[in-house]
Amino acid sequence: QAGLTQPPSVSKGLRQTATLTCTGNSKDVGDQGAAWLRQHQGHPPKLLSGRDNKRPSGISERFSASRSGNIASLTITGLQPEDEADYYCSTWDRSLKSWVFGGGTKLTVL
Amino acid sequence: EVQLVESGGGLVQPGGSLRLSCAASGFTFSTYWMSWVRQAPGKGLEWVANIKQDGSEKYYVDSVKGRFTISRDNAKNSLYLQMNSLRDEDTAVYYCTGESVPFTGGFDIWGQGTLVTVSS
Repeated sequence: QAGLTQPPSVSKGLRQTATLTCTGNSKDVGDQGAAWLRQHQGHPPKLLSGRDNKRPSGISERFSASRSGNIASLTITGLQPEDEADYYCSTWDRSLKSWVFGGGTKLTVL
Repeated sequence: EVQLVESGGGLVQPGGSLRLSCAASGFTFSTYWMSWVRQAPGKGLEWVANIKQDGSEKYYVDSVKGRFTISRDNAKNSLYLQMNSLRDEDTAVYYCTGESVPFTGGFDIWGQGTLVTVSS
């Protein structure tokens, strides 16, 4: 079961905007979209956006997700120190009947 | 309060077995698809298995097929993972997680995780 592709690291300045990408194929991201999770060191992940690009209750409007073809994106505006974390994309592959994750992107806020 | 609490992790020798449990509270467990997701030390997230609300469908990552079995007891609000023939590469923190909106959402409830260490 192949995974989704994310850049290993992204660095942006405080109050800037970061866009994280997640590349899949027509059977996973292209078919189902991608959900986004954030994980701080030593803590479980937290859902930021579902495969339908909707934010769960309580998630800041600074986080917005989108998709173009087989590439999903998460845009974070007004970067804050607490945004420094690992970000994962994930989706369900209907042909493999398997969830797949990206390798994660470590976001550094300078 | 919505909560998932895992238990059952520990140190086991290669070839051994462990049974993980996950106790759910604060939400209607029987309406959620549930999964186990693991994270090896210093590595990313890996989905292990999931189970439909009524237990009628179960799916596994290839690397655990035939060795791990996922199950649930909706009367007890509990999820389980029976792990047999454990290998060094199964060493990870195992998270219990659930989807409240199947097909369009994501994993929106997570436990704190339980550490499984496979080593001689």
